[in-house]
Amino acid sequence: DTAVSQTPKYLVTQMGNDKSIKCEQNLGHDTMYWYKQDSKKFLKIMFSYNNKELIINETVPNRFSPKSPDKAHLNLHINSLELGDSAVYFCASSLGTGGIQYFGAGTRLSVL
Amino acid sequence: QKEVEQNSGPLSVPEGAIASLNCTYSDRGSQSFFWYRQYSGKSPELIMFIYSNGDKEDGRFTAQLNKASQYVSLLIRDSQPSDSATYLCAVNAAGGGADGLTFGKGTHLIIQP
Repeated sequence: DTAVSQTPKYLVTQMGNDKSIKCEQNLGHDTMYWYKQDSKKFLKIMFSYNNKELIINETVPNRFSPKSPDKAHLNLHINSLELGDSAVYFCASSLGTGGIQYFGAGTRLSVL
Repeated sequence: QKEVEQNSGPLSVPEGAIASLNCTYSDRGSQSFFWYRQYSGKSPELIMFIYSNGDKEDGRFTAQLNKASQYVSLLIRDSQPSDSATYLCAVNAAGGGADGLTFGKGTHLIIQP
């Protein structure tokens, strides 16, 4: 059983489209995260979500919106996709905000 | 702005030798420190974590933390070709790190057979 699972694994789309990435964890964790890894492999936090509190990295454009229907799921919706959004997006989860974070396999987004 | 610095490498080490990876961080209040390994095209995988000053050993891996110098290191003994990967140093901020981990840009390690 995969602990942190993301879908889809690959996403190819046109500029201007809206897309969503889904994340689910079965570890019983209460905190989930979205990270972006750019072409230079730099991994940067986008959002964290703990007990319905959303913490947003101020550098993330408001075209990105996380949605958490429950503690086991944190989805990422992206509006009006741009070329610069092309990256690998990783979901992660932890027990508590200071706990060890476990990562999903990643979603490779390509915007054409 | 919180920063984590790593030498990007590549760091080339002969098989069987000790690989030494270093990391410095800017936030003096940082509480917990992690080393992740990432193979090309894969997700980060936790290798070690350390919270207190000193050394922590797990098999061939040793993490070292010096909070006064704001320095974290990872030693890999008896390096194997399968250890070739990018190693990411990550730091959790003071107060529990609700704003996620701050990662360095990673060190690309190559173990030469």
